[in-house]
Amino acid sequence: DTEVTQTPKHLVMGMTNKKSLKCEQHMGHRAMYWYKQKAKKPPELMFVYSYEKLSINESVPSRFSPECPNSSLLNLHLHALQPEDSALYLCASSHSSSRTSGTIYEQYFGPGTRLTVT
Amino acid sequence: AQKVTQAQTEISVVEKEDVTLDCVYETRDTTYYLFWYKQPPSGELVFLIRRNSFDEQNEISGRYSWNFQKSTSSFNFTITASQVVDSAVYFCALSEAGAAGNKLTFGGGTRVLVKP
Repeated sequence: DTEVTQTPKHLVMGMTNKKSLKCEQHMGHRAMYWYKQKAKKPPELMFVYSYEKLSINESVPSRFSPECPNSSLLNLHLHALQPEDSALYLCASSHSSSRTSGTIYEQYFGPGTRLTVT
Repeated sequence: AQKVTQAQTEISVVEKEDVTLDCVYETRDTTYYLFWYKQPPSGELVFLIRRNSFDEQNEISGRYSWNFQKSTSSFNFTITASQVVDSAVYFCALSEAGAAGNKLTFGGGTRVLVKP
């Protein structure tokens, strides 16, 4: 099973709303990721969690707040977003890279949440 | 700093034609991994292949084949006998072994349109 699920599929929110995006995987992966993708652009990394700890924050504005409650779940809390934050938000998971062997594993992506901020 | 360039932004072919997607990368690391992903109109990125920097063997998987050449820092992807279902955006990506957290650097993507 190489499935990553994301909910909701679509989300429309006002600039004063608070909402959350959810991501789940049951592949035993210990690394999970949030990406943002604008139209006709490649995905841009936002956050990386490794063993439930935040390991990378790509200077993302604080109106985006990630959370990793356990090894299978990843949330992205949204508050006071701007219209330019409208995008496809992708979650991914992978085995954690091995610093000893230098092995890096492929990431498996969910179908994404298409977010529109009005 | 690592960089991936996909010079072709869009390729249009007729069904059954072969199509080759170019990918050129830059990295200072000797150990790195290269990936190809497919993104159909539905939006989900689908993993196609992973290759490490020490394995220069070409690979074939059904109608897909990959040509990795370290000498030219290229990792090209060919779809043989294309089908309409191959229509998608294809991304090449690079990850350096020394980087934290499996960080992927994507190329700009190549949109492939296969016409019946």
